[in-house]
Amino acid sequence: TQLLEQSPQFLSIQEGENLTVYCNSSSVFSSLQWYRQEPGEGPVLLVTVVTGGEVKKLKRLTFQFGDARKDSSLHITAAQPGDTGLYLCAGAKGGNNRLAFGKGNQVVVIP
Amino acid sequence: DTAVSQTPKYLVTQMGNDKSIKCEQNLGHDTMYWYKQDSKKFLKIMFSYNNKELIINETVPNRFSPKSPDKAHLNLHINSLELGDSAVYFCASSQEVGENTEAFFGQGTRLTVV
Repeated sequence: TQLLEQSPQFLSIQEGENLTVYCNSSSVFSSLQWYRQEPGEGPVLLVTVVTGGEVKKLKRLTFQFGDARKDSSLHITAAQPGDTGLYLCAGAKGGNNRLAFGKGNQVVVIP
Repeated sequence: DTAVSQTPKYLVTQMGNDKSIKCEQNLGHDTMYWYKQDSKKFLKIMFSYNNKELIINETVPNRFSPKSPDKAHLNLHINSLELGDSAVYFCASSQEVGENTEAFFGQGTRLTVV
């Protein structure tokens, strides 16, 4: 069974549009990270959210951690082609150095 | 300077061969990992080492043997390669800060078994 479910798996939008992708679980996490992976590269950490209800902004990207610390969302405003990539969420349960990854949201922004 | 570096980036080999992938991190992290990413982009943990000691060993065939000579290096040796081993293998390292575990990944090794 997959610990973290990401939806939608694939999303294609026009440049300038907004989008939201989701990461859901039935488990509670001590923290949750979002990574972006581009073709031929390893995942790169974007943000870590720790507190239930926390909202973090990274330029045009807004990350929210659910109140119950089981889910998260990533909203991109005015998407640009450079936002194209595989967005991976990963949950950590404190103290065991284990990150569980979702299967990713593949985002394509068309110029 | 590359934080987590793994070599080679590409590896094409025949079934039945034995191959190794090397990984080094210069971040001073205590924990290193090997992940496997399949054709559907699912990133699955294989092994985790903390200060040279194995702490996570997922259900991985024993043809895969990690070796950590020191906490900055974690190599992956694979015996008797099979077609199903074809994937991208990522090395990563992390340091816990409070209850947070944030991973830094290498560029990956694309293994193709023919």
